[in-house]
Formats: sequence, structure tokens, C-alpha cells
Amino acid sequence: AQSVTQPDIHITVSEGASLELRCNYSYGATPYLFWYVQSPGQGLQLLLKYFSGDTLVQGIKGFEAEFKRSQSSFNLRKPSVHWSDAAEYFCAVYAGNMLTFGGGTRLMVKP
Amino acid sequence: NAGVTQTPKFRVLKTGQSMTLLCAQDMNHEYMYWYRQDPGMGLRLIHYSVGEGTTAKGEVPDGYNVSRLKKQNFLLGLESAAPSQTSVYFCASSYSGAGESYEQFFGPGTRLTVL
Repeated sequence: AQSVTQPDIHITVSEGASLELRCNYSYGATPYLFWYVQSPGQGLQLLLKYFSGDTLVQGIKGFEAEFKRSQSSFNLRKPSVHWSDAAEYFCAVYAGNMLTFGGGTRLMVKP
Repeated sequence: NAGVTQTPKFRVLKTGQSMTLLCAQDMNHEYMYWYRQDPGMGLRLIHYSVGEGTTAKGEVPDGYNVSRLKKQNFLLGLESAAPSQTSVYFCASSYSGAGESYEQFFGPGTRLTVL
């Protein structure tokens, strides 16, 4: 069965600083990978997804993610964080009609 | 389009009571899903449906039942609520189960407390 690990439960960055959120997955075949963002009290919004092809994927709100098969990773990055990026971020892998989510990383942004 | 909507937004139950959560989508999606979200555990799939009249178990189905009598609606039932079912419940839908256009669209959630 597939699984997703997000090693960092909380991350705090200063506004304007760069960001990298880590995601490691376990799945036997080529994975379909996703990053979602959840603002407080809201549902989940898709940031970006990887199915095949170019391993660097661009998403909304200036986010990007890089798929590294050799490391079983799909880390999310942003070059300059804005205060509005404070939220919880979830990595997920799709297989067998199911999305399996990681535990999430809560991002806090310092002014 | 309203997208995915959930009713109710909040609910408090006593142990042993029953209730039904309603999910509706207006995107003509085939697939629908119910998740629960608990701190530190991400979202876990309870049940899902790949079409009208069909349902299947997800990762944590015990204590829940579902029905998909109409394509646009997916109901989640708790027959005898337990405190362990205190959680935030999310419904989602997708056009299909595969392909590069695949994406799940989420509702705003229902916060359920069982006393």
C-alpha cells in the first residue's frame, strides 16, 4: 500500500524568505503526486500535481515542486513567501482510486 | 457553480445518536469521496463511490455507512456515534479516477463533535 510522509509538522519562515516543504512517498509504480493547501477553516485547494514528464512542476500562487524518483520525494518550494501563504500543506499520492495524504505541514510566516 | 457543498457545517451529537452528512456536487463528477481529518494525521479516506449506486470502503470505514442514490449526492451516515468519531469531515469529487486531468475538488468541511 502507498504511504506519504511529511517530516516537518511545523515550519516558520520570515516573509520574503524561501520555502521548501518536504514530502516522501512509498509506492511501487510511477506515482501520481499532489500538493494541496488548506487555509484555516477551509477545504483543500490543489496547488500542483505530477503525473509524468518534466520532473519540475509549476503550480498556482508561485509554488513549484520537483519529483525525484531516486529519493522518492516530491518537495514543494517557493522562492519568496508572503504572509498569505500561512496555511497547512498536504502532500498526497494517488493509487487504486484513492488519494493517500501525508500528515501535513503547518506553515507560519513571520513579518 | 457552487462546486462541492456540505451540510451541515457544524454538529454536536451525544454518544449513540445517529446522523447523516450530505455532500452535493454540481460538476457532473462520477467519483465522490468522504474523508475525515484529525490533527497530525492528514485526511483519511472513509468511503468512496465511482458512480451512482456504487460505493466502496476506504482506509477507515468502520462505524460509517454511505449511499449514492443520485450522481450529484453522496451521503455519509453514522448509525451510533462515538467520541472517536469527533473530527472534521470533508467530501470531495472528481471527474474520473485516472488521467492527467485528475483532480479532487473538496467541500468546506463539517465539524462534528460527539460528546
